[in-house]
Amino acid sequence: DAKTTQPNSMESNEEEPVHLPCNHSTISGTDYIHWYRQLPSQGPEYVIHGLTSNVNNRMASLAIAEDRKSSTLILHRATLRDAAVYYCILRDGRSSNDMRFGAGTRLTVKP
Amino acid sequence: ETGVTQTPRHLVMGMTNKKSLKCEQHLGHNAMYWYKQSAKKPLELMFVYNFKEQTENNSVPSRFSPECPNSSHLFLHLHTLQPEDSALYLCASSQDLRPGTYGYTFGSGTRLTVV
Repeated sequence: DAKTTQPNSMESNEEEPVHLPCNHSTISGTDYIHWYRQLPSQGPEYVIHGLTSNVNNRMASLAIAEDRKSSTLILHRATLRDAAVYYCILRDGRSSNDMRFGAGTRLTVKP
Repeated sequence: ETGVTQTPRHLVMGMTNKKSLKCEQHLGHNAMYWYKQSAKKPLELMFVYNFKEQTENNSVPSRFSPECPNSSHLFLHLHTLQPEDSALYLCASSQDLRPGTYGYTFGSGTRLTVV
């Protein structure tokens, strides 16, 4: 899988939007961009994924750059429950491959 | 509750013990996975099963032995473990192996301590 780069940590204030960046400059045309998050003492949780177009769901929005070399996970109003490690992962759509995690971004939400 | 249930939640075992971790899903998924998460390390993929067949063994030592009797159940049999095997063991499932489909569903994990 192509490599992704995320900041180690970010802070946000409660009820404010959060933009979590991910760089993937070596992304191929068939790589899907997946985001997961892991709350303390839990397994990772699927958040959202996309290929080329921006995506929205009840949890978050995914904004994908036009050249696809970066993407941003947007939490529209952060809550204390959003404090977690967020992982950005690329998965090649040409193969039935597994999913491999990096270190992710640790998001702290301040009241 | 995510739909993937792992038991036990916590396990302490001696280096000479034999124990098994269990994972169960009734989501109708066909692929199941074991991951290991050690302290301050990223998740490491251990095994992949698709339609009960093992499709990947990520160079895991033989003291870890997976078993997938059907698409809903996955076991990880443990024997003669080392203290460095202490970690959070996570099970996940997905509809299939295609990356463009819906994502993985993870269980809450088994926290294993080897003494």
